[in-house]
Amino acid sequence: DVKVTQSSRYLVKRTGEKVFLECVQDMDHENMFWYRQDPGLGLRLIYFSYDVKMKEKGDIPEGYSVSREKKERFSLILESASTNQTSMYLCASSPLTITDRELANYGYTFGSGTRLTVV
Amino acid sequence: AQSVSQHNHHVILSEAASLELGCNYSYGGTVNLFWYVQYPGQHLQLLLKYFSGDPLVKGIKGFEAEFIKSKFSFNLRKPSVQWSDTAEYFCAVMPWGIKAAGNKLTFGGGTRVLVKP
Repeated sequence: DVKVTQSSRYLVKRTGEKVFLECVQDMDHENMFWYRQDPGLGLRLIYFSYDVKMKEKGDIPEGYSVSREKKERFSLILESASTNQTSMYLCASSPLTITDRELANYGYTFGSGTRLTVV
Repeated sequence: AQSVSQHNHHVILSEAASLELGCNYSYGGTVNLFWYVQYPGQHLQLLLKYFSGDPLVKGIKGFEAEFIKSKFSFNLRKPSVQWSDTAEYFCAVMPWGIKAAGNKLTFGGGTRVLVKP
């Protein structure tokens, strides 16, 4: 089974700190994603990457950046953490599919999440 | 851009009751449709997906969903719920044919389901 591992389950950081959230997948997937999950808002895409050193903004990239130096690792960076970034952060990966049928078969694989509290 | 709307934020029901969760999406083209489930303390898991063909899709754990193209809906159903179905359920869409650059999923706001024993 594909595994997507997020390095921390819980984090507490202070306002203004630089925060790194790490995600590693072990199935050679091209695509990796960072979402944040908030009650009533579901999952919102922050950034995604479809190749090493490639990144694209999602729907809510403000206040975040990402790094993908190796295929298996995708890091989310909060340059200066703020209280409104308190949330559950989910990482996901998927293969770069050629057809929609392949995509339908694979879908996404999610990590267990990192619950970040900024105080 | 696509968007997804889930009608209920919270649903409370008793064991053996039937469950139906509404999902409507907004997108001008063809989509792939998904339902994900997140059990307490666990990661998101795929319940079922619609790719093409029969609009009635069967997933794991007795769940099914029906795609009604004319209504832009993909409602999730289960005839008889169990206490173990207590979870948060997310509907998601992905535009058809966008394969490179991410295959982005857009999620609805989620529905928390509590099944009372």
